[in-house]
Amino acid sequence: GQQLNQSPQSMFIQEGEDVSMNCTSSSIFNTWLWYKQDPGEGPVLLIALYKAGELTSNGRLTAQFGITRKDSFLNISASIPSDVGIYFCAGRTSGTYKYIFGTGTRLKVLA
Amino acid sequence: NAGVTQTPKFQVLKTGQSMTLQCAQDMNHNSMYWYRQDPGMGLRLIYYSASEGTTDKGEVPNGYNVSRLNKREFSLRLESAAPSQTSVYFCASRPLRDRSYNSPLHFGNGTRLTVT
Repeated sequence: GQQLNQSPQSMFIQEGEDVSMNCTSSSIFNTWLWYKQDPGEGPVLLIALYKAGELTSNGRLTAQFGITRKDSFLNISASIPSDVGIYFCAGRTSGTYKYIFGTGTRLKVLA
Repeated sequence: NAGVTQTPKFQVLKTGQSMTLQCAQDMNHNSMYWYRQDPGMGLRLIYYSASEGTTDKGEVPNGYNVSRLNKREFSLRLESAAPSQTSVYFCASRPLRDRSYNSPLHFGNGTRLTVT
């Protein structure tokens, strides 16, 4: 079946540093989504990407839809303590309603 | 707008008991989904309903059944709970835009289920 590899699994960074994480797929995707999950809550959408090569920002967050359509990247600039949480990527192949999720990147920001 | 509402928030079951997890959305979305989340495994799709009246299996459907009661509600049933079904269950919904599949999932806050 389809697989999404998300890396890194976890990271500790200093406040103010930039963060990068990525997802790679064994399949070509038509949509990439990035979510953040806080403890005890459901995932919240950060950025949605619908075209290969697309680069989209949401405040300090920037995500890109890889040109091979098999990968996506999320960058967080100038991290702050409230960026702590688990970040998930999710992807969808053409002609399907199913979204497959990565295993998550757990981010901890040290003040 | 409440968005996606899941009930109950917490549940403890004994092995072999049955229960139904409820999910309702008030956003007039067409598609609804059930995922389970286990440590280190991300979210795995159990079942989904592309539109009212249809349901399809996801990655891990064994041991579960679903009902799309109407456009708003999508329930998940465990007929005979097993310890392996201890997990956090998330319901999600998604609108249909211009016959495109391009729209994101909106999640509820989860049901935390423990099977002893």
